[in-house]
Amino acid sequence: DAKTTQPTSMDCAEGRAANLPCNHSTISGNEYVYWYRQIHSQGPQYIIHGLKNNETNEMASLIITEDRKSSTLILPHATLRDTAVYYCIVRGGLNTNAGKSTFGDGTTLTVKP
Amino acid sequence: EPEVTQTPSHQVTQMGQEVILRCVPISNHLYFYWYRQILGQKVEFLVSFYNNEISEKSEIFDDQFSVERPDGSNFTLKIRSTKLEDSAMYFCASSGFDTQYFGPGTRLTVL
Repeated sequence: DAKTTQPTSMDCAEGRAANLPCNHSTISGNEYVYWYRQIHSQGPQYIIHGLKNNETNEMASLIITEDRKSSTLILPHATLRDTAVYYCIVRGGLNTNAGKSTFGDGTTLTVKP
Repeated sequence: EPEVTQTPSHQVTQMGQEVILRCVPISNHLYFYWYRQILGQKVEFLVSFYNNEISEKSEIFDDQFSVERPDGSNFTLKIRSTKLEDSAMYFCASSGFDTQYFGPGTRLTVL
């Protein structure tokens, strides 16, 4: 069963920041938070992951609360091509057999012109 | 940038036939996975594979399914006798010690 809770859907205006929340209150100390997105029925696309520090890459930023029970994925300037289902997944981290990813229903983000 | 590739992109088969779905994982990865997604449903884990053996499998992965790494580059999923309910997108994934990367998927249609 999915160990994360996400809102079912969100809208965002093109060019604005999209902030996607995720609750993972049962996260273990060695589990990372991963974010993926899926556009139509394409393969899930890796976005970013983190353990406890905030992370940023060319696609997005990840903010993890100090207690690690929740996180927010930030797409700083959303475009129409960012319309997708976004999945937050907790999973074992570095130097472990990190195992399977358990997908929930995710958040359907719709970016509007 | 290295990618996971899958062939074919679409496979149509008759019920009861055998199908083999193929994947080429990222070259230095050690862990390999298959997932499926029935239309409109969640992505579901099927099986993980490491060091030439299955490390974990789900309830979905019954005796009709098998996986193989026949050479140093390919990773295959075989369904021995397809059923209508096997119609789905099948995604291969691979990882080193952390991030899983997914392939584009094979759409399997069982008639």
